[in-house]
Amino acid sequence: DTEVTQTPKHLVMGMTNKKSLKCEQHMGHRAMYWYKQKAKKPPELMFVYSYEKLSINESVPSRFSPECPNSSLLNLHLHALQPEDSALYLCASSQGAGISYTDTQYFGPGTRLTVL
Amino acid sequence: SQQGEEDPQALSIQEGENATMNCSYKTSINNLQWYRQNSGRGLVHLILIRSNEREKHSGRLRVTLDTSKKSSSLLITASRAADTASYFCARYGNNRLAFGKGNQVVVIP
Repeated sequence: DTEVTQTPKHLVMGMTNKKSLKCEQHMGHRAMYWYKQKAKKPPELMFVYSYEKLSINESVPSRFSPECPNSSLLNLHLHALQPEDSALYLCASSQGAGISYTDTQYFGPGTRLTVL
Repeated sequence: SQQGEEDPQALSIQEGENATMNCSYKTSINNLQWYRQNSGRGLVHLILIRSNEREKHSGRLRVTLDTSKKSSSLLITASRAADTASYFCARYGNNRLAFGKGNQVVVIP
């Protein structure tokens, strides 16, 4: 199984809502990532988990809260978002836990988030 | 910047033609990777070329790397409508994978 799955595919939420994005992989990968991508732009790294521990936080606002319950799952909890947070949120995983420069990343299909 | 940066261009070609896109970077690399993204979906890894390699092939893809010029190119031969996508180069820097700006390729049937 070389697939990274993400749910939901689409999400519309108000600025006062609390929602969560979910990501799952069963490839035994030790690193998992959250990216944010705006239209016609490259993905921007948000968070990296290595061996289920947060290793990189790219100064993301606290209204985004990541969680890694186990080695296969990655969540992104959303609260009090702003309209400018509307974007495609991508999850990825890679085999290496140390973010080796030889690692390739496997991406999920993304969650299209719209904040009203 | 440590980020790879493609020449920001949109490329429109006829099916069967070849498509070439470029990527430049500013600091030394261990490898360079290319990814494809179809219509706002997830990225798919295409090919990785190491710093000691000059050329690499994978099916209809050919990647070259010129470390002296700090540039790489991706060639898609005999393009198909399914090749319509955005293509990103990416390099590791500062313990993270940084993507270039991307090239939009449209293959017209």
